[in-house]
Amino acid sequence: GAGVSQSPSNKVTEKGKDVELRCDPISGHTALYWYRQRLGQGLEFLIYFQGNSAPDKSGLPSDRFSAERTGESVSTLTIQRTQQEDSAVYLCASSLTREEKLFFGSGTQLSVL
Amino acid sequence: GDSVTQMEGPVTLSEEAFLTINCTYTATGYPSLFWYVQYPGEGLQLLLKATKADDKGSNKGFEATYRKETTSFHLEKGSVQVSDSAVYFCALSPNYGGSQGNLIFGKGTKLSVKP
Repeated sequence: GAGVSQSPSNKVTEKGKDVELRCDPISGHTALYWYRQRLGQGLEFLIYFQGNSAPDKSGLPSDRFSAERTGESVSTLTIQRTQQEDSAVYLCASSLTREEKLFFGSGTQLSVL
Repeated sequence: GDSVTQMEGPVTLSEEAFLTINCTYTATGYPSLFWYVQYPGEGLQLLLKATKADDKGSNKGFEATYRKETTSFHLEKGSVQVSDSAVYFCALSPNYGGSQGNLIFGKGTKLSVKP
């Protein structure tokens, strides 16, 4: 596609439920990143993929968070047993290579009630 | 650890006013510095960047100069337009032996320009 696509754009869930967020990067981009932005805060790095492997998972806040990437394309971020503090905008970005500029999606607004 | 601090918003200006959004950073080594912009309803996009001290990044009338002595990368524009209304993020990428690290962002500054 023309840009990075994320779905859903909005997700409301109940505390304790699992959620899955999807990111479709720009075709051919080998690097893919997930960031989180809580209200009034800057973007927090979560995880970085190079191809289908994740050499840097240092930003994942707990073991409830996991992510995978398949086919060097789509990535899913899964949050298990969601908590209210997980409420945030989750942003995905991709770049042609590690050193190239990032292109961001519009994000998924997650609200945990 | 590395961090970015930018001025809090929101900032409201009249059209054709001068804009400055302050950004300072803390980093070891020699980071690259960036300004990203998020227009309403759109994803973040790179506005400009600078990769070494005294470099000036510029785009769409915006400028920012990498000042190592003051650890700053302030964003400026001489005459803002209504279409510049957006949220602006300052960011750095730590330099680990020449390889870029993951971006570290400031909290963002919302700019509203009134006609």
